[in-house]
Amino acid sequence: NAGVTQTPKFQVLKTGQSMTLQCAQDMNHEYMSWYRQDPGMGLRLIHYSVGAGITDQGEVPNGYNVSRSTTEDFPLRLLSAAPSQTSVYFCASSYSRVSTGELFFGEGSRLTVL
Amino acid sequence: GIQVEQSPPDLILQEGANSTLRCNFSDSVNNLQWFHQNPWGQLINLFYIPSGTKQNGRLSATTVATERYSLLYISSSQTTDSGVYFCAVRKSGTASKLTFGTGTRLQVTL
Repeated sequence: NAGVTQTPKFQVLKTGQSMTLQCAQDMNHEYMSWYRQDPGMGLRLIHYSVGAGITDQGEVPNGYNVSRSTTEDFPLRLLSAAPSQTSVYFCASSYSRVSTGELFFGEGSRLTVL
Repeated sequence: GIQVEQSPPDLILQEGANSTLRCNFSDSVNNLQWFHQNPWGQLINLFYIPSGTKQNGRLSATTVATERYSLLYISSSQTTDSGVYFCAVRKSGTASKLTFGTGTRLQVTL
């Protein structure tokens, strides 16, 4: 039982490049989400999903796309990276789609956009 | 949206000391969690505590939902307790998301 797995752990991009951060969970959780963490700002929700085929925007969705084709996977896509997207990204999942339940985090992906 | 305030923002303790961290929130909640982010950046679940009191070893937490606050107690602190402690809440009746406070940064010295 690996929990929540994120890849890659580190990535450097040039402005305008695209990339996908991968997130997978093996706990059969309905709810999955992406957060970004910036110094002094805590964690802010980017996008979330309450089940396969269902996604919604969080607080800071601009510049990011998501999809949820399976229960296990929830990739985050940056279509045209900008320096403002330099951050640490966390994927998280929980069992309950209704009340979020106890949220479990992956180990994070540190992204630098030059 | 719901506001989450944590205090103090920074705390320095000597090993063996006790501390209390506070989380205030601006609306009714049906989900509250405490996390510890260690110096390596990992977010570790401490408590899922929308109400009541829980204890886990040297750590305990109390949430008084009617008064909109939660407390995290750390007793006999150790250097491994260093890091940032986050409180996160979900407003009752809203879409499934947790809103995080900005954290309390704890440093435990020898």
